This record gives sequence, C-alpha cells and structure tokens, in this order.
Amino acid sequence: AQSVAQPEDQVKVAEGNPLTVKCTYSVSGNPYLFWYVQYPNRGLQFLLKYITGDNLVKGSYGFEAEFNKSQTSFHLKKPSALVSDSALYFCAVSAYSGGGADGLTFGKGTHLIIQP
Amino acid sequence: ETGVTQTPRHLVMGMTNKKSLKCEQHLGHNAMYWYKQSAKKPLELMFVYNFKEQTENNSVPSRFSPECPNSSHLFLHLHTLQPEDSALYLCASSPMTAIYGYTFGSGTRLTVV
Repeated sequence: AQSVAQPEDQVKVAEGNPLTVKCTYSVSGNPYLFWYVQYPNRGLQFLLKYITGDNLVKGSYGFEAEFNKSQTSFHLKKPSALVSDSALYFCAVSAYSGGGADGLTFGKGTHLIIQP
Repeated sequence: ETGVTQTPRHLVMGMTNKKSLKCEQHLGHNAMYWYKQSAKKPLELMFVYNFKEQTENNSVPSRFSPECPNSSHLFLHLHTLQPEDSALYLCASSPMTAIYGYTFGSGTRLTVV
C-alpha cells in the first residue's frame, strides 16, 4: 500500500519570504510524485511532478520541489512567496505498475497562508 | 476551464432522493476517476475506469453507483445517501498511466439533508 504524509495542516509565511510545504511518502517500487494546488470552490490544479531524472523539479508559478530518495520526501518550495499563493496544497504519489490506469494517493493537504 | 467539466456544481438532496453527477472530458484521455473530498481528510479514491472498464472500486458503499458509457463520460448515481456523504466530489481524467498526472474538474458540492 502507498501513503503520503503532509505533517503540517497550515503553513504561514510573510510575503516575499521563501516557503516550504513538506511531504513524505511510502511506496513499493519507484515513485511518481506530484503536487497539486486547490483554490476555494475549485478542483485541483497540477503544479509539478517527479518521474525520473534530476531531483529538483521546476513547475508552474515559480514553484519547485526536491525529491530525496533516502528521506522519502518531496518538499514543495518557492524562493519568494506571493499573497496569491495562498491556497490548499496536495502532495500525491503513485507507484509504477507497468501500465494501466493508476489511482493517485493524496495527502490531507496543507493550507498555505501568505501574509502581506 | 481545465477540459474536465462536472455538473451540477452544487446539489442538495434528501436521503430518499436519487440523483446523478456527470463528468465529461474531451482531452482524449482513456482513464477517468471519482474522488471524494471531505474537510480535513485526504482525497479518497472511489472508482477508476480505464477504457470504459471499471478497474478499481475502493470499498465504496453500494449507494454510490458509477457508470462509464464511453471514455469521455462518467456518471456517479446516488441513492439513499447519508448526511456523512456530504462532500465535494471530484472527477479527474488522465492518459492511461499516472505518469502524466491528472486533470481535475471543479467538482460537485453535495449536501445531503
């Protein structure tokens, strides 16, 4: 079974400061890792993914994430936060299964609050 | 718009009603999914369809009945629901494997009274 842990329900950061949203995972085999963002009353929007290759992945809106295999982590980062980044962020994992539709397993989500 | 459309956006139903949620995508994706999102809980995968065939039913109560008539449409038929079924129901689609990620619809906010 695969699982995702987002240890913080809420992260508060001042505008202009760097931000980190934490994610750890558990999966058998090589992981596919994703970050999604959800704004109020909307569905989830894709931010970035790690499949293979460089451990630092760059995505939409200036976000990036670092894959750390030894720590089974995939933390989301941004060098300078904007008030508009305030939203609910989800980390998700899937294991490579050789093909076929796979269900992603999501964490509980972390509310990111950027203070002006 | 993401390319995945869900209707209705909001639904209030009594416990004895029968209603259906609809999801439609024209992205050429082969897989479609239903997720349930409740406050302060992880998204719960309910059903997975791959090329119209159900490949996963994640121990969902029988009062939820999915239907996938073709690769572009997915329905969730609801009957005799409970108040704890109130949640945001999200539909997603993907090319066959998860490596490409999902595209989500905006969801249907369901309230059972």
